[in-house]
Amino acid sequence: AQSVTQPDIHITVSEGASLELRCNYSYGATPYLFWYVQSPGQGLQLLLKYFSGDTLVQGIKGFEAEFKRSQSSFNLRKPSVHWSDAAEYFCAVLMYSGGGADGLTFGKGTHLIIQP
Amino acid sequence: ETGVTQTPRHLVMGMTNKKSLKCEQHLGHNAMYWYKQSAKKPLELMFVYNFKEQTENNSVPSRFSPECPNSSHLFLHLHTLQPEDSALYLCASSQGTSGTNEQFFGPGTRLTVL
Repeated sequence: AQSVTQPDIHITVSEGASLELRCNYSYGATPYLFWYVQSPGQGLQLLLKYFSGDTLVQGIKGFEAEFKRSQSSFNLRKPSVHWSDAAEYFCAVLMYSGGGADGLTFGKGTHLIIQP
Repeated sequence: ETGVTQTPRHLVMGMTNKKSLKCEQHLGHNAMYWYKQSAKKPLELMFVYNFKEQTENNSVPSRFSPECPNSSHLFLHLHTLQPEDSALYLCASSQGTSGTNEQFFGPGTRLTVL
């Protein structure tokens, strides 16, 4: 079965500093990969996704992520964080069986704290 | 209204109560999902509906009963729940269930079982 690991439960970054959130997945084939963000009291919003092609994908709010097959990773990055980026970030993988998808498998999330 | 809406936003119920969660999507999508978000656990897929037909039941206890009367509405009927069922229940929708279809999430219903 596929799984997603986000090794950092909490990360604290100063405003204006760069950010990298780690995500590793376990899946035999090339997965469909996603990063979602959840602000307090809100649902999940998609930041970006990777299906195929260019391994560096751009998303909304200045985020990007790089798919590295050799490391089974899909780390999320942002060159300069803003206080409004404080939220919970979830990495997810979708296993596409060809006959229909099975829904998303999520990591446990990384709570991002922004220091002034 | 736009997007995916869920009602109620908060629900407190006793273990003997029967209640229902409602989800409505205004995006013209064909697939809808229920997820459970518990503290300190990853989001868990519960049910998937595609064109009103249930295509996935992720080993969910029978005290949770989904209903999808049409492609725009999804319900989760609750009865004789346990305190460990307290969680945030998220609804999502997508155009279809293929891997390239983005899932759009509602704000969730915060459920507390006493």
